Amino acid sequence: DAKTTQPPSMDCAEGRAANLPCNHSTISGNEYVYWYRQIHSQGPQYIIHGLKNNETNEMASLIITEDRKSSTLILPHATLRDTAVYYCIVANTGNQFYFGTGTSLTVIP
Amino acid sequence: GAVVSQHPSWVICKSGTSVKIECRSLDFQATTMFWYRQFPKQSLMLMATSNEGSKATYEQGVEKDKFLINHASLTLSTLTVTSAHPEDSSFYICSARVPNTEAFFGQGTRLTVV
Repeated sequence: DAKTTQPPSMDCAEGRAANLPCNHSTISGNEYVYWYRQIHSQGPQYIIHGLKNNETNEMASLIITEDRKSSTLILPHATLRDTAVYYCIVANTGNQFYFGTGTSLTVIP
Repeated sequence: GAVVSQHPSWVICKSGTSVKIECRSLDFQATTMFWYRQFPKQSLMLMATSNEGSKATYEQGVEKDKFLINHASLTLSTLTVTSAHPEDSSFYICSARVPNTEAFFGQGTRLTVV
């Protein structure tokens, strides 16, 4: 079962930073936080993942709180193509991914 | 990143027939693959975990005799929907993981049973 809680929907103005929160208060010590997004009728696309340190790649930044009970995905300059459903998942490195309901992000021109 | 390919992308079949969906890891070996189902406006639901050379592990409530999974090689897993009915119409997605990395997902297969 999914162990994360996300707001069902968010809007963001094009060009602005999109900050997507995720609560995972029952995360265990060896579980990572993964973020994926799904554009309509496609398979999920990997964005970023982390254990306890903040991470950044070419797509996004991941900020994990010190107690690891929540995290925020940051898309620094949202574009219309970032409109998608964003999923936050906690899992061990070899285990299954259980998807929650995700956040539907709409980037507004 | 690694590539996972599904085939076909979409399929229409008659009620009562069987449909096979293939999932291939193109540039890596996947000892474990996962199959998901997604209904419109819903999240992905894990159906089963497929391990190379052994029987699949099904999630609670998923009929193993209806959704046959075969993982005969390190690069190929198949899902066969047997005796399909209209309620089996859905978006089926496979995924593969390399140990200690993220999971890679196929592009999905849209199944419509008429």
